[in-house]
Amino acid sequence: GESVGLHLPTLSVQEGDNSIINCAYSNSASDYFIWYKQESGKGPQFIIDIRSNMDKRQGQRVTVLLNKTVKHLSLQIAATQPGDSAVYFCAENKDDYKLSFGAGTTVTVRA
Amino acid sequence: GAGVSQSPSNKVTEKGKDVELRCDPISGHTALYWYRQSLGQGLEFLIYFQGNSAPDKSGLPSDRFSAERTGGSVSTLTIQRTQQEDSAVYLCASSLGSAGAVGTEAFFGQGTRLTVV
Repeated sequence: GESVGLHLPTLSVQEGDNSIINCAYSNSASDYFIWYKQESGKGPQFIIDIRSNMDKRQGQRVTVLLNKTVKHLSLQIAATQPGDSAVYFCAENKDDYKLSFGAGTTVTVRA
Repeated sequence: GAGVSQSPSNKVTEKGKDVELRCDPISGHTALYWYRQSLGQGLEFLIYFQGNSAPDKSGLPSDRFSAERTGGSVSTLTIQRTQQEDSAVYLCASSLGSAGAVGTEAFFGQGTRLTVV
């Protein structure tokens, strides 16, 4: 079936280093992808999105890359900070309204 | 408030009881979603509203689950005869239009943590 998944459930990164979080999706018809950040006890918070007609989009300290050939999505966080510790979800737009979420990657920033 | 508001934030109920969860979306947002998040898991889609109508209820896990939205604003998710497997965080999100259109990212509330004992 169609699904969105993350390659690794956990990622430990040294403060100041760059982080890369990966996500694979299976629905080649999906045209919209979002990354969310969820801190403990809070709802998911929008980070950045990208449409299928783009392969890269940059925000503040974050970059999303989309490789449609291999159906792969990644989130890069520059100069990771302690406040970046959270669970990160990729989501795929399905049927033009339903977002399908992966299981999430827990990022832990080491001081 | 400026964000999506959910109440209660926590709910402990006895098995077999009914519960109602409330969501106040961001003013002007026509699309509203309910998701469920079990411990350590991703988000499971439950239902989608566009205005007061629910074109997609396919995610509701059983007929014990129902949801309504009135006045194109507040939504309630009702779980009848709760079971222990219903324990989870129930998240509500709203967006200007349906997610996927430009500038219509979904904003989430903090969720209601439901514990069935």
